Amino acid sequence: TQLLEQSPQFLSIQEGENLTVYCNSSSVFSSLQWYRQEPGEGPVLLVTVVTGGEVKKLKRLTFQFGDARKDSSLHITAAQPGDTGLYLCAGALLQAGNNRKLIWGLGTSLAVNP
Amino acid sequence: GAVVSQHPSWVICKSGTSVKIECRSLDFQATTMFWYRQFPKQSLMLMATSNEGSKATYEQGVEKDKFLINHASLTLSTLTVTSAHPEDSSFYICSARAGTFYQPQHFGDGTRLSIL
Repeated sequence: TQLLEQSPQFLSIQEGENLTVYCNSSSVFSSLQWYRQEPGEGPVLLVTVVTGGEVKKLKRLTFQFGDARKDSSLHITAAQPGDTGLYLCAGALLQAGNNRKLIWGLGTSLAVNP
Repeated sequence: GAVVSQHPSWVICKSGTSVKIECRSLDFQATTMFWYRQFPKQSLMLMATSNEGSKATYEQGVEKDKFLINHASLTLSTLTVTSAHPEDSSFYICSARAGTFYQPQHFGDGTRLSIL
């Protein structure tokens, strides 16, 4: 059972278009992170959202954490070819003993065509 | 800051050999290191978590005798794939974290392992 559903899995769009990637779960996360990964490299952290309803902006990227801290979205405005890559969400799940585990979404492979 | 170096970046070897991958935190002390496996255009699959000086905690389905993890110092963890076979071919990525869970994970650039 995938605890963190990420959609869409693949997305191919033209330069200048807008897009939104979603991560959904039935579990409540103490925080959620978004990463971007390019081929042959490790993931790079884009943002961490912690508070329900929180919105963070990073240039043309807008990240939102759901009010109940069960879902999150990444919106890219006016996508550019340089935005091409694999986008990953990862939620921090509270476990027994006050431990936390990072649960990863399946990833969204984005291709922005010039 | 917070640089994680992974070596080698690419390795090709014959079936049956063992391969060691190193993960180093260059400018911080990593109390916890993570090893992931990733297939093309797919998400990260956590293999194991290791804390400095103690045995690694393996995820369900990961053979600890197959994937040996050593975290002997605060700046170095190694993953050894023993008696590698073609099905072990994959992209292996490590990450390192200083302090508690609230600190971010910093990722290495991965190792592409190809077993012939």
